Amino acid sequence: DTEVTQTPKHLVMGMTNKKSLKCEQHMGHRAMYWYKQKAKKPPELMFVYSYEKLSINESVPSRFSPECPNSSLLNLHLHALQPEDSALYLCASSQQGVGNYGYTFGSGTRLTVV
Amino acid sequence: DAKTTQPPSMDCAEGRAANLPCNHSTISGNEYVYWYRQIHSQGPQYIIHGLKNNETNEMASLIITEDRKSSTLILPHATLRDTAVYYCIVRVGRSGSARQLTFGSGTQLTVLP
Repeated sequence: DTEVTQTPKHLVMGMTNKKSLKCEQHMGHRAMYWYKQKAKKPPELMFVYSYEKLSINESVPSRFSPECPNSSLLNLHLHALQPEDSALYLCASSQQGVGNYGYTFGSGTRLTVV
Repeated sequence: DAKTTQPPSMDCAEGRAANLPCNHSTISGNEYVYWYRQIHSQGPQYIIHGLKNNETNEMASLIITEDRKSSTLILPHATLRDTAVYYCIVRVGRSGSARQLTFGSGTQLTVLP
């Protein structure tokens, strides 16, 4: 399995809702990432998990809460979002250790906050 | 990680080689050059990476200048499906740590029929 699977592909949520995005990989990668991408802009890093521990938080508002329950799964819990949080949310994974490895990205979750 | 500069857009005729330039004049000795592309509304796709030697794989070739201050991604026979935003990224990683990948503005390549 050489893929990163993200669910759902599309999500519409109200500003008072709580929802979660899910990301799964079975490549044995021990680093996982969340990116946010607005229209016509490059992806922006949000969080990095290394060996299931949060290693980087790029000053993301607390209404976004990441979770890495095991080495294959990465969640992004959403609560009290704003319309400006509407974007494509991308998950990625990579190997760690000595050497340089490419990232594998999922196809993303298109989030609309109404 | 060093900053990269890419032209915002390029066109290429179908079947011809697409040559995408990237400037990374502040690159340091332990930084690699990575290329990714993103087809509309999909996740970015890894293409190739290199340190100082030219590299080739089934998708593309990467030519890095001797001083490493610039590089060119070559798609030898562009097809309509190669229309995408191409990102050149320079990155260094500490051994054992998760390595951030920071995207610049990229080049929108349009392959014309």
